[in-house]
Amino acid sequence: GIQVEQSPPDLILQEGANSTLRCNFSDSVNNLQWFHQNPWGQLINLFYIPSGTKQNGRLSATTVATERYSLLYISSSQTTDSGVYFCAVEGGSGGSYIPTFGRGTSLIVHP
Amino acid sequence: DSGVTQTPKHLITATGQRVTLRCSPRSGDLSVYWYQQSLDQGLQFLIQYYNGEERAKGNILERFSAQQFPDLHSELNLSSLELGDSALYFCASSVAIGSGNTIYFGEGSWLTVV
Repeated sequence: GIQVEQSPPDLILQEGANSTLRCNFSDSVNNLQWFHQNPWGQLINLFYIPSGTKQNGRLSATTVATERYSLLYISSSQTTDSGVYFCAVEGGSGGSYIPTFGRGTSLIVHP
Repeated sequence: DSGVTQTPKHLITATGQRVTLRCSPRSGDLSVYWYQQSLDQGLQFLIQYYNGEERAKGNILERFSAQQFPDLHSELNLSSLELGDSALYFCASSVAIGSGNTIYFGEGSWLTVV
């Protein structure tokens, strides 16, 4: 099946800093989503982005499908951005439509 | 609020027992997924249903079973529970299967086996 790697595994920032999270995948994808898991465990949809660039407030994401990676940008980080960010992809040579998750990037934003 | 409802939110039970987790998908969603999240294994896909039929199976133990009912809600049954089954169990739903498909997660059911 398709492999998903996220980096960095851990990130610690001061409030106001910017960051870039990366998601590499091993095969072509049909779907790609970014999620934020908050400290209470909730998984919140951030972006559906199998290709191209999207922006939502301080967050933006870019997926370069031909090069098999996606980036999540967080600007002017706030303490509420803390949590784990997951990338989930569907695809691969078998045409799987089951979202496969990376191990996530754990983000801590200090005030 | 994603629109996916899971009950119970928290559950503590003893080893050897059986529990049932329930999921109501978003209105109009036909596909339901179950995931297990533990500290050492990350988010692991268990099983998927589409319009009442099983469509895909992941790393689901034989002690676990699931079904999707005609009203599209789903239940995950966990039996002969072991300490290692303690985890956060998520249900997710989507309109369909295929390209362009966005999945939405419920708030999860925290299971603690003691």
